[in-house]
Amino acid sequence: DVKVTQSSRYLVKRTGEKVFLECVQDMDHENMFWYRQDPGLGLRLIYFSYDVKMKEKGDIPEGYSVSREKKERFSLILESASTNQTSMYLCASSLSRRVFGRKIPNDYNEQFFGPGTRLTVL
Amino acid sequence: AQSVSQHNHHVILSEAASLELGCNYSYGGTVNLFWYVQYPGQHLQLLLKYFSGDPLVKGIKGFEAEFIKSKFSFNLRKPSVQWSDTAEYFCAVLPLRNEKLTFGTGTRLTIIP
Repeated sequence: DVKVTQSSRYLVKRTGEKVFLECVQDMDHENMFWYRQDPGLGLRLIYFSYDVKMKEKGDIPEGYSVSREKKERFSLILESASTNQTSMYLCASSLSRRVFGRKIPNDYNEQFFGPGTRLTVL
Repeated sequence: AQSVSQHNHHVILSEAASLELGCNYSYGGTVNLFWYVQYPGQHLQLLLKYFSGDPLVKGIKGFEAEFIKSKFSFNLRKPSVQWSDTAEYFCAVLPLRNEKLTFGTGTRLTIIP
């Protein structure tokens, strides 16, 4: 069973603080993703990474950065937290379609999600 | 870029009623389609997925969805809902040559006992 874990379920921070959200997956997945989930807006992609030290901006990267030093770990960083970053943050992972030399069945690309971190910025 | 529309924001049904949640996407190429469910206080989890072949796919807990390519739709159905189906449901699209999943805004389903 794929397991995606996130370092905290609930977090309360003050405006201007630097915030680190950690995500770890145990299935050797190449791809990792950070989303935020807000009522009425669904899930919106912040950043994703398809390999160690690689990152790509998602739909709403402003105010965030990421770090992927090891394959299993993907960190989301809020350099200076603001109240509009109060949200539920979800991490996900999936196998990559880009891996050469390995045949990936087409239906292996579902994303597996962690439990989420509810961040409140005061 | 692709997008997903879920027109029903909140659906309230009585137990044993039939369910259909709409999902439409916009993308010109080949896509993979998903329905995810989030029960209160739980992880987002996969309900069902379409990759190729039979456009009628069956998922867990008696759910099914039909991919109609001409309508760019992937509606979720269940013939008889239960109180335990109360959850938020998200439709998502993954273009074939892409790693990025795009989600709809979600539909909150409330089942009244």
